[in-house]
Amino acid sequence: SQTIHQWPATLVQPVGSPLSLECTVEGTSNPNLYWYRQAAGRGLQLLFYSVGIGQISSEVPQNLSASRPQDRQFILSSKKLLLSDSGFYLCAWSAAPNYGYTFGSGTRLTVV
Amino acid sequence: DQQVKQNSPSLSVQEGRISILNCDYTNSMFDYFLWYKKYPAEGPTFLISISSIKDKNEDGRFTVFLNKSAKHLSLHIVPSQPGDSAVYFCAARENFNKFYFGSGTKLNVKP
Repeated sequence: SQTIHQWPATLVQPVGSPLSLECTVEGTSNPNLYWYRQAAGRGLQLLFYSVGIGQISSEVPQNLSASRPQDRQFILSSKKLLLSDSGFYLCAWSAAPNYGYTFGSGTRLTVV
Repeated sequence: DQQVKQNSPSLSVQEGRISILNCDYTNSMFDYFLWYKKYPAEGPTFLISISSIKDKNEDGRFTVFLNKSAKHLSLHIVPSQPGDSAVYFCAARENFNKFYFGSGTKLNVKP
């Protein structure tokens, strides 16, 4: 069966520090991978998606970047965090579009 | 500009009664709609979906209704149970790669 792993679960980082969040998927190949963010009081905002290794599409201009170094690995990064980067970050994968996404358990990022 | 809106941030319902969660969208090109359920500090989990060619889909206690002319989607939970208390997100698909989510409705089912 397919599983998705996302870590860490919580993270507190100072402003200006770098960020690296990792997501891996098991039990499937060539999945579509996604990064979403849920800011306080808001819905899920699509940040990046990837349909294959090295292919990244950005949905919103921001302080973040994404990379897909391997088929089932998706990384969210920042060189210098801003206070506004705080939020709940979710990784998701999709293989069959009619089933939507399967989400990871999320990372609560607090930038102080 | 949000293409998918959930205008009720919260809803409180008595156990055993019906819960109705609403969702409105603006993009007539959306062809697939889903509802997700989310508990605190967890990722959303898929609940039920509906294609734009249908107007109703039922799965146990959960029924999703789609009114394309009104661009309106609703989720009915009957009967509501305390374990249904969570945040519910509706989502709409524009193409294979993109789903747009509403801001969520927090459902509280009182025992």
